[in-house]
Amino acid sequence: DARVTQTPRHKVTEMGQEVTMRCQPILGHNTVFWYRQTMMQGLELLAYFRNRAPLDDSGMPKDRFSAEMPDATLATLKIQPSEPRDSAVYFCASGPDRAEAFFGQGTRLTVV
Amino acid sequence: QQPVQSPQAVILREGEDAVINCSSSKALYSVHWYRQKHGEAPVFLMILLKGGEQKGHEKISASFNEKKQQSSLYLTASQLSYSGTYFCGTEQDRNRDDKIIFGKGTRLHILP
Repeated sequence: DARVTQTPRHKVTEMGQEVTMRCQPILGHNTVFWYRQTMMQGLELLAYFRNRAPLDDSGMPKDRFSAEMPDATLATLKIQPSEPRDSAVYFCASGPDRAEAFFGQGTRLTVV
Repeated sequence: QQPVQSPQAVILREGEDAVINCSSSKALYSVHWYRQKHGEAPVFLMILLKGGEQKGHEKISASFNEKKQQSSLYLTASQLSYSGTYFCGTEQDRNRDDKIIFGKGTRLHILP
């Protein structure tokens, strides 16, 4: 049963620390998305990749966030330095040529 | 441009019908519908493409009015398992800008 795998599932960190979230997309999917979910804003698109190339990261605060796909089996989202307002659930999703997006279980980030 | 969903929340009794609407101010290529249960990841329901037909499976169906840039999700004879938050995601241009932007969601609660 193919699924998107995200690690860690939960992360509590202190303000100012670096946070790295990882995602293993479903094999064969060529698009990968990073979304952030909060009660107030809902699902916000942070970045997305097609065939490992970044296509859009306009939703991401550039000064502290970065997203990469070092290879087809790994996508990363980094926050440095982290701030309390970054607390949210971060979802990675992958899809076969954008027909639909399969979401991972998310990383619940708490910055104290 | 984030699509607008209405209503924000719905409470129904089991067996009743519901309609959730999604509208955009931009021309759309596709509309995606997802359901998210509390503490879980969003799960894909269906996608409607420009020029395509109304979609549906079991008692959940959706329509896409391209002229009005609106989509509606229909839940017929609702079941307890339908409870959750429903998100519509819109894609504006298949070739140039094909990221999925989600609305803020509609919370649906089904009472026995």
